[in-house]
Amino acid sequence: GENVEQHPSTLSVQEGDSAVIKCTYSDSASNYFPWYKQELGKRPQLIIDIRSNVGEKKDQRIAVTLNKTAKHFSLHITETQPEDSAVYFCAASASGNTPLVFGKGTRLSVIA
Amino acid sequence: DVKVTQSSRYLVKRTGEKVFLECVQDMDHENMFWYRQDPGLGLRLIYFSYDVKMKEKGDIPEGYSVSREKKERFSLILESASTNQTSMYLCASSGPRQGDGETQYFGPGTRLLVL
Repeated sequence: GENVEQHPSTLSVQEGDSAVIKCTYSDSASNYFPWYKQELGKRPQLIIDIRSNVGEKKDQRIAVTLNKTAKHFSLHITETQPEDSAVYFCAASASGNTPLVFGKGTRLSVIA
Repeated sequence: DVKVTQSSRYLVKRTGEKVFLECVQDMDHENMFWYRQDPGLGLRLIYFSYDVKMKEKGDIPEGYSVSREKKERFSLILESASTNQTSMYLCASSGPRQGDGETQYFGPGTRLLVL
């Protein structure tokens, strides 16, 4: 089955700097890659997703890139702000009836 | 706006008790999921369901069962609670079959403590 590895497990950046979180997946059939953000004490919420027919997707300060050949995808946050501090989870799934497989999460701290 | 609710935010139970965790969604979603979240282990899938009365085992089904009698409700059952089931339990729902890119919407979670 699918296996998703996520790095780093913790990340501290200065406010205004960029943050990058990387994930690798094992199943070449996976074609959907969402990212969820979980603030302290709150539920995970989708922030951006990408499908395998696209190499990059942007939404304001966040972007996701996908390298199908290498089977890895990354989340990029630019101009980080204190409210970006949270745990971020990547996930992957293939078409059909396979559910999402999540990475173990990255705790991002943005230091003012 | 999608709403996923869980019956309890916090629950304390004794070892050996039968525990019911309820999840209800109001968006007529076909798919529902139960995860447990533990520090350093991320979100691990316990069971999921793509239709009423249908259930599939996830990655860690041992010690758990589920029930989906109505489309909007998905229950997680701990037949005989054990201390290693102390965890945060998250329910989620999504629209058509996974793989179409449908977002999973999570409930607020139930923090279960088994003594």
